[in-house]
Amino acid sequence: NAGVTQTPKFRVLKTGQSMTLLCAQDMNHEYMYWYRQDPGMGLRLIHYSVGEGTTAKGEVPDGYNVSRLKKQNFLLGLESAAPSQTSVYFCASSWVGVSNQPQHFGDGTRLSIL
Amino acid sequence: AQKVTQVQTEISVVEKEDVTLDCVYETRDTTYYLFWYKQPPSGELVFLIRRNSFDEQNEISGRYSWNFQKSTSSFNFTITASQVVDSAVYFCALSDRTQGGSEKLVFGKGMKLTVNP
Repeated sequence: NAGVTQTPKFRVLKTGQSMTLLCAQDMNHEYMYWYRQDPGMGLRLIHYSVGEGTTAKGEVPDGYNVSRLKKQNFLLGLESAAPSQTSVYFCASSWVGVSNQPQHFGDGTRLSIL
Repeated sequence: AQKVTQVQTEISVVEKEDVTLDCVYETRDTTYYLFWYKQPPSGELVFLIRRNSFDEQNEISGRYSWNFQKSTSSFNFTITASQVVDSAVYFCALSDRTQGGSEKLVFGKGMKLTVNP
């Protein structure tokens, strides 16, 4: 079982460039989440989706956009990358909410903005 | 607002020592869920346990045990007879239900455990 797959695993960007991170899950989960992990900050929620075609802002949404056109995919976009967005990005999914089952995480995407 | 505090940022022990990781939370909800995740040096996040607010029974799984106390808003994690493979960053997390009814997690900042041989 693939579970939650994040693409790419590593990326280096220059300031101002744009890119899209892809998260794909094969568990038919309704909920999907994007987090960023920074040293000493834990995981902070960027955006999340409670179903196909829906998105909502998390704790740190500025500078990011997301789309959930298909249930199995959740895309995170950086329109104009900034050095402050250097981080490790994790995608997660769950069947419904966390009250029903824990979130399943991808292996992360390490993104550096120069 | 939901908040999770992991006071310890880093702990170093010698193999076979017992170690307790503290987690204190604040919540506005009467029903909520608490979690522990492990992040080994390889970087992936591994789910360890989920506990709902109605179940205050302690739980033991092998060398791992969890102590949930609503009276002190704590959900502490103890590793007995630690091993080098336990070296990781451990995160405590709390459920957060939005006004719309959707659910997400609020994470603590993590605690790095190093177990030395």
